[in-house]
Amino acid sequence: ENVLTQSPAIMSASPGEKVTMTCRASSSVSSSYLHWYQQKSGASPKLWIYSTSNLASGVPARFSGSGSGTSYSLTISSVEAEDAATYYCQQYSGYPLMYTFGGGTKLEIK
Amino acid sequence: EVQLQQSGAELVRSGASVKLSCTASGFNIKDYYMHWVKQRPEQGLEWIGWIDPENGDTEYAPKFQGKATMTADTSSNTAYLQLSSLTSEDTAVYYCNPITTASWFAYWGQGTLVTVSA
Repeated sequence: ENVLTQSPAIMSASPGEKVTMTCRASSSVSSSYLHWYQQKSGASPKLWIYSTSNLASGVPARFSGSGSGTSYSLTISSVEAEDAATYYCQQYSGYPLMYTFGGGTKLEIK
Repeated sequence: EVQLQQSGAELVRSGASVKLSCTASGFNIKDYYMHWVKQRPEQGLEWIGWIDPENGDTEYAPKFQGKATMTADTSSNTAYLQLSSLTSEDTAVYYCNPITTASWFAYWGQGTLVTVSA
């Protein structure tokens, strides 16, 4: 099983700051198969970024994703209060078939 | 518009079984693989498996073999997840997620909270 490790587990930022969170895989992941979700407290997760760098519908342009191989990141260029949430990365592997999530990064806004 | 209506919260005794439902509207579940994902309180997400409602084919994550059973009723456009021999480790929110060929989960139900009591 390809284990995804997200860091940091918790981070705090002030409005306007640039923030970056990472997702590291124990084995290489195709960039097509690495995705990110946003989950706010009490709500279902939402697809946020798919295939490493493609923003889902409605996601603000201040979000971006990058990476390859075993290291991926989600960056917010200028964080806003509404970005407070937990962000999860997820990977897909076809053999054996498995969808795996990282443990999440909780973003708090000061 | 894809909509998923999941069944209500369940409070069940340890050792019992529970069956959750996910009724779809806006699409035909026969055109999708219906996946299920588990989220324990204040914890991360775990993929349980998928079912092809058209033919009943299923695939489970190894951890959920023997714990989870997925079925579907195409006449009611509903997918089901049955969990057996419940323990406190099964206390979680369970989400249904339809996927066609993508490897990401674009659609999430509102989730069903299952609470297992001693």
